[in-house]
Amino acid sequence: AQTVTQSQPEMSVQEAETVTLSCTYDTSESDYYLFWYKQPPSRQMILVIRQEAYKQQNATENRFSVNFQKAAKSFSLKISDSQLGDAAMYFCAYRVQETSGSRLTFGEGTQLTVNP
Amino acid sequence: DTGVSQDPRHKITKRGQNVTFRCDPISEHNRLYWYRQTLGQGPEFLTYFQNEAQLEKSRLLSDRFSAERPKGSFSTLEIQRTEQGDSAMYLCASSLGGPSNQPQHFGDGTRLSIL
Repeated sequence: AQTVTQSQPEMSVQEAETVTLSCTYDTSESDYYLFWYKQPPSRQMILVIRQEAYKQQNATENRFSVNFQKAAKSFSLKISDSQLGDAAMYFCAYRVQETSGSRLTFGEGTQLTVNP
Repeated sequence: DTGVSQDPRHKITKRGQNVTFRCDPISEHNRLYWYRQTLGQGPEFLTYFQNEAQLEKSRLLSDRFSAERPKGSFSTLEIQRTEQGDSAMYLCASSLGGPSNQPQHFGDGTRLSIL
């Protein structure tokens, strides 16, 4: 069974600084997708960034980028120039690549606080 | 695109009662997922539909839980004889089908509290 581990229950960062959230996963599959989702308090889960396992290039979306290390099964999220609106619970998620679609397996989450 | 809609937002009920939640996916999405999220944890998969067919169910989905998607559009999740342990946020997500493996879009969730 696939598992996703986020070892940092809480992280904090100063506004305008950079922060990195860690995620590791365990799988025997070779083709899969990895995601970072953001869940603000009492608001819906929003996709931040995704990475296809077959791509060596790390995904980037504006201030958000990932460091994908397939051999180490590591998938960290870097947030640059942190803003107050980045404060949220961040979840790392894994999904097997199947044309019929499949479940997301989530980590336990990292609560990010942004200090002004 | 009005997003994934879930109703109600909150439900408070007594132990032993039945509850039903509704999810309206993004209109062109043929895949629909249900997850359960307890406080401080990540969501856990419950079940998945492609159109009206229920293709996958988690072992978390006991026989007290039933989900339907009768016309391949909205879905309902019913919990019979609710228990204290059913208290959680129930999240619905939808995605496009096909080989491109689209990301899942989530609704606001239904928070269930069992008294």
